[in-house]
Amino acid sequence: NAGVTQTPKFQVLKTGQSMTLQCAQDMNHEYMSWYRQDPGMGLRLIHYSVGAGITDQGEVPNGYNVSRSTTEDFPLRLLSAAPSQTSVYFCASSYGRTPAGGRNEQYFGPGTRLTVT
Amino acid sequence: GESVGLHLPTLSVQEGDNSIINCAYSNSASDYFIWYKQESGKGPQFIIDIRSNMDKRQGQRVTVLLNKTVKHLSLQIAATQPGDSAVYFCAENSGGSNYKLTFGKGTLLTVNP
Repeated sequence: NAGVTQTPKFQVLKTGQSMTLQCAQDMNHEYMSWYRQDPGMGLRLIHYSVGAGITDQGEVPNGYNVSRSTTEDFPLRLLSAAPSQTSVYFCASSYGRTPAGGRNEQYFGPGTRLTVT
Repeated sequence: GESVGLHLPTLSVQEGDNSIINCAYSNSASDYFIWYKQESGKGPQFIIDIRSNMDKRQGQRVTVLLNKTVKHLSLQIAATQPGDSAVYFCAENSGGSNYKLTFGKGTLLTVNP
């Protein structure tokens, strides 16, 4: 299994440009999520999905859109990039419900480092 | 809202010493907790987990302790090695039966040779 893959690894955008960060997983996980990581702020949840066709907002959803048309893919869209969106973005996946007595960590991708000038 | 936080943002230890990283959580309904390790330039990786019906769980050189009375979680690393240098995050399942992890801000562990 490739696990969780993210593209691109690095991206530079100008203010106002749009782009899509790609995320895919091959573990048949129901739950997928997007986080942003800023210095001193830890990981903050942007959006998440508990299955194909179902998405919900996390802690910092403004300026981002998501969709989940398949179990495998969960793209994150920036419609009009702003300098405040400069960050490292991580996609993660896991099983939707923790099995009794089982382990259910989120598997993280390698991240996308985004700079908005 | 509910949050998970860390007492110490940085921790510096000597190689071979034991390390203890602390975490406070505020959601008394959280039933599942995970510690992650994040090396520079990489995504977080699972270290160990613990359920709310346990007080202690041991892995290879790592132990997690859970004190539900004071809502405190700790990660102990025995015989700390230079390869343990990383940022460590605690996370709680704040969604109940609807799985959703909330992460703390992280502690930077530096191991001096």
